[in-house]
This record gives sequence, structure tokens and C-alpha cells, in this order.
Amino acid sequence: QSALTQPASVSGSPGQSITISCTGTSSDVGGYNYVSWYQQHPGKAPKLMIYDVSKRPSGVSNRFSGSKSGNTASLTISGLQAEDEADYYCSSYTSSSTWVFGGGTKLTVL
Amino acid sequence: QITLKESGPTLVKPTQTLTLTCTFSGFSLSTSGVGVGWIRQPPGKALEWLALIYWNDDKRYSPSLKSRLTITKDTSKNQVVLTMTNMDPVDTATYYCARQHRGLFDPWGQGTLVTVSS
Repeated sequence: QSALTQPASVSGSPGQSITISCTGTSSDVGGYNYVSWYQQHPGKAPKLMIYDVSKRPSGVSNRFSGSKSGNTASLTISGLQAEDEADYYCSSYTSSSTWVFGGGTKLTVL
Repeated sequence: QITLKESGPTLVKPTQTLTLTCTFSGFSLSTSGVGVGWIRQPPGKALEWLALIYWNDDKRYSPSLKSRLTITKDTSKNQVVLTMTNMDPVDTATYYCARQHRGLFDPWGQGTLVTVSS
């Protein structure tokens, strides 16, 4: 299975909105709603930000939202804040009953 | 509160077998729908899913690493063990375990860095 495709980097200014895409196939992202997003600060373990495509765990800011269209899932962060600067990874269940992660996106808050 | 912690050697030699243990608390691996997975991250690189074991002992492996991986659980000890054979320097990474439930990995352990070098 191939890693899901994410842009290597995105950037935005404080207060702006950004969107990170995660492209897979009909055998993973497009076929299941088990798409999740993780935030990882340097030297830290990943943290769940979005699950089931668009659900937010308790405690995660409502500035984070998720969606999916076809084989591409997206994470949108509105009202960018300095603390949002981190790496973001998407993940999906696959038709082989396995899991796959994206290549990661580095978010820079200008 | 759910916590997981990885343990194992920090340094292994090429061709050796790596054995990592994930010790968890706050949930039971005998609860329907629950699993524990392993994910690794080479320095400066992306996350890579490795393996997962479910409450019913169903096991799933990364297709590219399947021949080298074995995952087992000890429900009474709240532990999951991952073994990886024939270690190579490219396997140098931080190895994480995480609870898997309803399609998501949460929470994650702090990770343990394993270096493969002679």
C-alpha cells in the first residue's frame, strides 16, 4: 500500500485559514469514513485532532475541521494561531483491513 | 486516564531481532472493538503504520513488513509486544504504540527511539 499524498508544506498568517489535503484511492480514503488527522509538535507524540473524517475529539478546538470528497480528505484550520505550527498527518483504513498514513505536512505560521 | 508506554532496547545491531513492549493502563484489551497498534517514524520522516492487534486476537500487518513482524498480546499484563526480525539501519526510528478504537489512534505513547547500528 502507498502512503497517502499530502503537500509537504503549507503556510499562513495568524488569523487566516489553511487547508491540508490528503489524497488516496477508492481502496482507502474514498472507500471508508475512517479518516483521521494527527498533529505532531517537534519531539512530541502525535495527537488526534479529527476522526471519522469530520469529528472532533473532546478538547480539540473548533477551529479544526475535516471533510472528504471522493478520494481526497481535507483538514481546515481557521483563525490560525502560533501554536498550530506543527506537522500534520492523515490516516485511513484500507480495503486490506490495514491502516495507512500520509506523508505529512509541515504547517508554518508566518 | 488512558496511558501507553513503549519499552525496549535503544540500540540493536543489524540482522538482530527487535522486541518492543507496549504497557498500557486505563483500558482493557479484552473490550470489544479495542486494539493496540504500532507506528514508527524515522528521524525527520513520516509516520508509518506497522501492525495492530485487536481484542479478539485478530492481527494485521503492514504488507511491506509483514514477513518481519509479529504482534502478540498479554491481556492479563496489559501489554502488547512487537517483534521485528532482521533489523537494518533503515529501521532506525521512533516506535510508538497507540490504542486503536473505532477507526482512530488515541492516545499515543511517548515513543521510543531505536537505533540500528553495528
